[in-house]
Amino acid sequence: EAQVTQNPRYLITVTGKKLTVTCSQNMNHEYMSWYRQDPGLGLRQIYYSMNVEVTDKGDVPEGYKVSRKEKRNFPLILESPSPNQTSLYFCASSPGDRLYNEQFFGPGTRLTVL
Amino acid sequence: EDQVTQSPEALRLQEGESSSLNCSYTVSGLRGLFWYRQDPGKGPEFLFTLYSAGEEKEKERLKATLTKKESFLHITAPKPEDSATYLCAVQGWETSGSRLTFGEGTQLTVNP
Repeated sequence: EAQVTQNPRYLITVTGKKLTVTCSQNMNHEYMSWYRQDPGLGLRQIYYSMNVEVTDKGDVPEGYKVSRKEKRNFPLILESPSPNQTSLYFCASSPGDRLYNEQFFGPGTRLTVL
Repeated sequence: EDQVTQSPEALRLQEGESSSLNCSYTVSGLRGLFWYRQDPGKGPEFLFTLYSAGEEKEKERLKATLTKKESFLHITAPKPEDSATYLCAVQGWETSGSRLTFGEGTQLTVNP
């Protein structure tokens, strides 16, 4: 089954404790992206990657890191999480070319930072 | 800066009662306008892409239309399973990195 998977789905952590949210897609997509979704603010892009070893900032990159060492994986790293990073996070991928904005989203990771 | 405004914020319909959702946008040269459906606790699910004014796309009870300033998602004879939040997003030609700018969505409830 074609899909985007994220782990963990739910995470409660404390301020300053480094964490990684994994994202993997099995569709051989070139493009991958991370979003956060907050009430009243909608979905906002954090980082994106056009291909392996190619990443760039989105609208709200502060406090986050990413890497793209393999085509299928795009982990999101919070080096020192803070309470304002409490949010619902989505990873997305798309095939590229004209269809690259038909993005497939993962199931989401709900993060709470205390 | 690209902007998307969706209305209404919430809409409650009876089964079979047709209606429309609105998406108003400002963008520096529209590259594409996208509609997604999001069920509670799940990621958005792609519905349509529209590229130019006058374009229309249909899928089952849904029909999306596009003008130079707004898009409509028409729902004909909705069923309870159409209940979801519908998201609109745009990308402009001057936007880097395939970035989508999303609206806050319209929460649709269809009562049996």
